[in-house]
Amino acid sequence: DVKVTQSSRYLVKRTGEKVFLECVQDMDHENMFWYRQDPGLGLRLIYFSYDVKMKEKGDIPEGYSVSREKKERFSLILESASTNQTSMYLCASSSPARFNEQFFGPGTRLTVL
Amino acid sequence: DAKTTQPPSMDCAEGRAANLPCNHSTISGNEYVYWYRQIHSQGPQYIIHGLKNNETNEMASLIITEDRKSSTLILPHATLRDTAVYYCIVRVSNNAGNNRKLIWGLGTSLAVNP
Repeated sequence: DVKVTQSSRYLVKRTGEKVFLECVQDMDHENMFWYRQDPGLGLRLIYFSYDVKMKEKGDIPEGYSVSREKKERFSLILESASTNQTSMYLCASSSPARFNEQFFGPGTRLTVL
Repeated sequence: DAKTTQPPSMDCAEGRAANLPCNHSTISGNEYVYWYRQIHSQGPQYIIHGLKNNETNEMASLIITEDRKSSTLILPHATLRDTAVYYCIVRVSNNAGNNRKLIWGLGTSLAVNP
């Protein structure tokens, strides 16, 4: 069974902390994505990566960075967490031939106090 | 990018067909219609996509009108586990160049009732 896994389902951090969210996929996909989902706003793309060490900004990259050192792993980094980054974070992956057929992880609900 | 319009919520009786509509009147010739769903507390799940012909897979059927301005996702025998938010998204197939993203609306919240 193909899978995208995320390091935590729930996470609570304090304002100003550096936060790492990890995502691993076992489908050998080149593309990986980080979204956040907020009530009334839908899913919004933060960053995506189309290959190891390659990345592109999405709609809302401010306050975030990403790292893709290995094909199967894509990390989202909140350099200095703020309360407005409290959200559900979703990771996804896809192959180049099926870019829009994205496989999602279960999500990480991050609360920043 | 073509916009989509979906009803915010729908109900369906268990065992009956669920027909979820989507309007995309500004769709262009090379844009596909994609459907995803998101069950509560889970990540979205890809269901099906199509360009102009009707499509069917093990999860659902997709009916696209001849003018391609609207489509309907059909769950032929809805179960309680089909209760979810269903998203209709219009996009070019490979998102080459600068258009590398799906645009997510708020979808239709489908409640399948016993």
